[in-house]
Amino acid sequence: NAGVMQNPRHLVRRRGQEARLRCSPMKGHSHVYWYRQLPEEGLKFMVYLQKENIIDESGMPKERFSAEFPKEGPSILRIQQVVRGDSAAYFCASSPGTTSGNTIYFGEGSWLTVV
Amino acid sequence: EDKVVQSPLSLVVHEGDTVTLNCSYEVTNFRSLLWYKQEKKAPTFLFMLTSSGIEKKSGRLSSILDKKELFSILNITATQTGDSAVYLCVKETSGSRLTFGEGTQLTVNP
Repeated sequence: NAGVMQNPRHLVRRRGQEARLRCSPMKGHSHVYWYRQLPEEGLKFMVYLQKENIIDESGMPKERFSAEFPKEGPSILRIQQVVRGDSAAYFCASSPGTTSGNTIYFGEGSWLTVV
Repeated sequence: EDKVVQSPLSLVVHEGDTVTLNCSYEVTNFRSLLWYKQEKKAPTFLFMLTSSGIEKKSGRLSSILDKKELFSILNITATQTGDSAVYLCVKETSGSRLTFGEGTQLTVNP
């Protein structure tokens, strides 16, 4: 049973380009979460999605960032017109549902470097 | 804003020592408290705590939750160099939102 799969693992973008990060949840998991870890900082919540629905996006920056989790395919975190401050590790996590006791599992992360 | 406070932020010990990591949290919308270990990659799950006073154990690691005083501790006995990592305390709220503490950087020297 494969874990949470993220790709790419490492991504380099020039300022102003777009970055797309993909996350395939564990088999049987319908809930996906994105977190960002800036250098020397802890993990910060960005967005929580279920299939075709954004449940909580209160941690997402107001501009340039968007996320989706389509009916088919992986969840995608999209960052438009990247800036140096977007350089961070982006972690995806998944869980089967919202019942207490459902452990949330993390992917290996995608490291974005903006040059 | 929800807060999870961990202490100490950094800890250096020798192999064989026992360590206790602390975590305090706010009560709002509490569902569970989780501990993760992070070693330069994705956090790996250690424990989920939902009930007060029930110790969870896994090998040399154990953890307990006090819902009255709003804190949890993670104990590691007979530490090894492989225990060196950042230990994250995480509060889960209703809606499955996770709030992370800043982490405790544990260094175990041979």
